[in-house]
Amino acid sequence: SAVISQKPSRDICQRGTSLTIQCQVDSQVTMMFWYRQQPGQSLTLIATANQGSEATYESGFVIDKFPISRPNLTFSTLTVSNMSPEDSSIYLCSVDGTSNEQFFGPGTRLTVL
Amino acid sequence: QKEVEQDPGPLSVPEGAIVSLNCTYSNSAFQYFMWYRQYSRKGPELLMYTYSSGNKEDGRFTAQVDKSSKYISLFIRDSQPSDSATYLCAMTVWGLTGGGNKLTFGTGTQLKVEL
Repeated sequence: SAVISQKPSRDICQRGTSLTIQCQVDSQVTMMFWYRQQPGQSLTLIATANQGSEATYESGFVIDKFPISRPNLTFSTLTVSNMSPEDSSIYLCSVDGTSNEQFFGPGTRLTVL
Repeated sequence: QKEVEQDPGPLSVPEGAIVSLNCTYSNSAFQYFMWYRQYSRKGPELLMYTYSSGNKEDGRFTAQVDKSSKYISLFIRDSQPSDSATYLCAMTVWGLTGGGNKLTFGTGTQLKVEL
């Protein structure tokens, strides 16, 4: 399985600011995924990031709010823009395994005041 | 109705008990099924992965899939305090090449194994 790291592990931010979360994988992967896990809720896919192309966003998520970069096969960033308290959540990146399973990073715990 | 339903618990059992965790789903296109364990303040860790009906065993863990009933289970034998965590079921549709499958998760069941 891939080893995935995320930075920062947690942050407390003010309303209206933006935060960029980094995801690093120890091997080259085609697809990287960004999820949100709100308190008491299941993981929800935000977008799929394929190197060299625009990210594909799920219903309810837009590029202006969650811009994603995928500059190479081992790295991706997710920015949470113009934050509000409703954006307080855990943000997770994941990558595909050799079959259809996914492996997750440790998550970034975001609190917006 | 959610695509995947999972009892959130919390579920509290004594050490050594057999634990049964369950999910039901409505989308018959789901073909791959996974169980993740998530400790507090950590990312989900893949425990079990299966794509066929029936049982798959790995140590103290057994994953069971019944596609006809759209029902999956995870059994934990001889439960230990270290098994205390949230258990998430997840599933995805068969056969998208190159990966990129969207996982649909249950809400997770919080398990506490007490001494």
